[in-house]
Parts: sequence; C-alpha cells; structure tokens
Amino acid sequence: GESVGLHLPTLSVQEGDNSIINCAYSNSASDYFIWYKQESGKGPQFIIDIRSNMDKRQGQRVTVLLNKTVKHLSLQIAATQPGDSAVYFCAEKGGGGADGLTFGKGTHLIIQP
Amino acid sequence: DTAVSQTPKYLVTQMGNDKSIKCEQNLGHDTMYWYKQDSKKFLKIMFSYNNKELIINETVPNRFSPKSPDKAHLNLHINSLELGDSAVYFCASSQGTTSGYYNEQFFGPGTRLTVL
Repeated sequence: GESVGLHLPTLSVQEGDNSIINCAYSNSASDYFIWYKQESGKGPQFIIDIRSNMDKRQGQRVTVLLNKTVKHLSLQIAATQPGDSAVYFCAEKGGGGADGLTFGKGTHLIIQP
Repeated sequence: DTAVSQTPKYLVTQMGNDKSIKCEQNLGHDTMYWYKQDSKKFLKIMFSYNNKELIINETVPNRFSPKSPDKAHLNLHINSLELGDSAVYFCASSQGTTSGYYNEQFFGPGTRLTVL
C-alpha cells in the first residue's frame, strides 16, 4: 500500500490568501520529501524538497515543513495566485540509492477569484 | 526545447493489442523512469533505468517491459493490453541515483492510454 497520503483531497482558497497543504507519511527511512505540482494535462513539476534531517525549507513563495515526530509534511504557499491552481503531490524518496518516488494521493488546490 | 518528451500523447487501442510508448530526454541524465497515473490521479513508479540497468521493478505485470536503446531513451512496451491498463503514463529522468541525495526528476507531458 501507499506510505504517503494527504488529508484533504480538495482545498479552495481566495486569491491572495495563504494555502497550506498537508501530507502524512509512514516510511521513517525516507531521506527526502518532495512536493510536486501537476497542472491539468501536464506532467508533475518539482516545487521544493526537504531532507529528512531538516524541519523547514523555504523557496520562492513556498515553505515546506517536516515534523518527523508525527510523520507530517506540509507545503505552505504564500499569496496564492490563479496559476497556483493545480494538484499537489507529496512524495518521498527512500534511502539506499534508488530514486523511485512514492507519491501521495494528491490535493487539488482551487484558487477562488 | 522540450526536456522530456513522450509519444504519442494519446493512444486508444483494443484489448489484447501490443503497443509501445516512447520517451526521450535531452537533459543528459543517466536515469529514466516510468510512472503510471490512474483515474484517481494516483502516481506509482513502474520502472527506472540507470546506465541501461533496471534498478527498480515494482509489482508490475510482465506484460510491461521497458526498453532503453541508449541513455536518452526509455520506451515502454505493453503486451496483451487489458482494460485496467488504461491510465496516463509518465516518463521522467534525473541525474544519478546518489544515496542520501535527491536529484530532481523531470517529468514528461504524459501519454493517455485508453484500452477499449
């Protein structure tokens, strides 16, 4: 079964507000956690990653938080824009050199005007 | 320039047929992957190839066979297609498989396979 999952399948936010997308994982051996964005009809696009020995990492308008105690990962998007509408996936990469990703089920982020 | 390309974009075929999906990357990466995305948007790794060696093979039916003629290509051949094979198939590539590091995977645009 899947080791990565998401709490909410759909998240609707007002344009300009901040968004928080959550993810739970179960594989404690994963050494990297990654967020991907998938727009309709396109392939997943990398957003940000975080190594398992970190608890926070910031990018441009995005922040990923990792709580290993409760095996929880979140993606915060600041000042959401219409172009942020997409399905967001968390994924994990296991240790040992194999780069195949285990993806969660995805959250559909809808930006309301 | 397209980094990871797939052909065809759409593929409609009958049950029992054999089909192939092609993937090419121009990023100079040495590892390529195939993922399957079902109707519920769930993405699952199928295969990866590193320097022409299969390094991941999940519980995928042996009707599916990846073929890599060179580092820039990883094609997916499917024999005896079944209804349950209908999905979107994504090719991806990355540089290396270094333990302890994440080398970003770049995904292609996907191939929507419909088996009738």
